[in-house]
Amino acid sequence: QSALAQPASVSGSPGQSITMSCTGTSSDVGAYKFVSWYQQHPGRAPKLMTYDVSDRPSGVSNRFSGSKSGNTASLTISGLQAEDEATYYCSSYTGSNIVIFGGGTKLTVL
Amino acid sequence: VQLVESGGGLVQAGGSLRLSCAASGFTFSGYNMNWVRQAPGKGLEWLSYISGSGITTSHAESVKGRFTISRDNAKSSLYLQMNGLRAEDTAVYYCARGPRNGVDGTHFDYWGQGTLVSVSS
Repeated sequence: QSALAQPASVSGSPGQSITMSCTGTSSDVGAYKFVSWYQQHPGRAPKLMTYDVSDRPSGVSNRFSGSKSGNTASLTISGLQAEDEATYYCSSYTGSNIVIFGGGTKLTVL
Repeated sequence: VQLVESGGGLVQAGGSLRLSCAASGFTFSGYNMNWVRQAPGKGLEWLSYISGSGITTSHAESVKGRFTISRDNAKSSLYLQMNGLRAEDTAVYYCARGPRNGVDGTHFDYWGQGTLVSVSS
């Protein structure tokens, strides 16, 4: 099973909005609503930001929103803040209790 | 909720290690659990899943036949038995909590701090 495709990097200025993509296939992202996004700062464990495409865990800012169209999922961060600078990973269910991750997108806040 | 991994270390290629993850702050048997790893400077790789009862498991192709996930609900502990270790298994290994039993989904809402496994060739 190949990893989901994510751009290596994205950037934005404080206050701006950015969107990053996560492209899979009709066997994973396109087949299930079980797409999640994680934020990881250097040296730290990943943190769940959105799940089931667009749900947010309690405590996660509503500046983070997830969506999906066909085989591509997206994470939008509005009102960029310096603390949002991190690497973001998407994941998707592929069936048979198997999950795959994307390669990660490094977000730089300019 | 707290997840604390242990058991990592330096091992020679071909050797074995058993990782543990001690869980607290929630009803352990009520949740499925997973192992995820991250090689140095690389992305996340899902490895293994186990249901709350321990009856159902699954493993990524990269570790199938070499790694085995298990749990002891009486001890609120998750394990990963790793055999036939290779240099490419060098990574930080995380345990991660999945959804509650009976709830569909594959998101991981709590993660441990990770334990480093280094395999020398």
